[in-house]
Amino acid sequence: SAVISQKPSRDICQRGTSLTIQCQVDSQVTMMFWYRQQPGQSLTLIATANQGSEATYESGFVIDKFPISRPNLTFSTLTVSNMSPEDSSIYLCSVSGGGSHEQYFGPGTRLTVT
Amino acid sequence: AQSVAQPEDQVNVAEGNPLTVKCTYSVSGNPYLFWYVQYPNRGLQFLLKYITGDNLVKGSYGFEAEFNKSQTSFHLKKPSALVSDSALYFCAVSPNAGNMLTFGGGTRLMVKP
Repeated sequence: SAVISQKPSRDICQRGTSLTIQCQVDSQVTMMFWYRQQPGQSLTLIATANQGSEATYESGFVIDKFPISRPNLTFSTLTVSNMSPEDSSIYLCSVSGGGSHEQYFGPGTRLTVT
Repeated sequence: AQSVAQPEDQVNVAEGNPLTVKCTYSVSGNPYLFWYVQYPNRGLQFLLKYITGDNLVKGSYGFEAEFNKSQTSFHLKKPSALVSDSALYFCAVSPNAGNMLTFGGGTRLMVKP
């Protein structure tokens, strides 16, 4: 299984600002995903990030609000832009590839917007 | 579009007793099914998966799950619960390998001594 790290682990931000979350994997992976877990809720997919192409966003999520970069096969960033208290969530990245069917998740970034 | 239902928000079981966490799914074609566990302040950990083959799959920490195609279910089970099994459990489905996961709402498992 892949080892995934995320930075920061948590942050408290003021509304109207932006935060960039980093996801680093210890091996090259084909697909990376970004999920949001709102308080007391399940996980919802924000977008799929493939290296060398634009991210694919799910319904309800747009690039202007959640721009994503995927510069290489081991790294991705998710930016939460113009934050509001409703963006307070845990943001998780996950990876799949290398012949495995399952996804492996990073430890998450706990974001609180005040 | 695929969907997953976990009908119980919480399951309470005494330590040493068997446990079952229920999951039903809807997906076009053959499903790829997964169980994940989330401990407090930690990310999701993969427990087990069903892709094809034997309907009973075994995973980490003594957990197993039974795939039932006719009932579109994939219930998580363990013969003897431990207090340390207390956590949030998520069932997930994917229409094919390595693709996006759709998660159920989660079930909180509480194992009491």
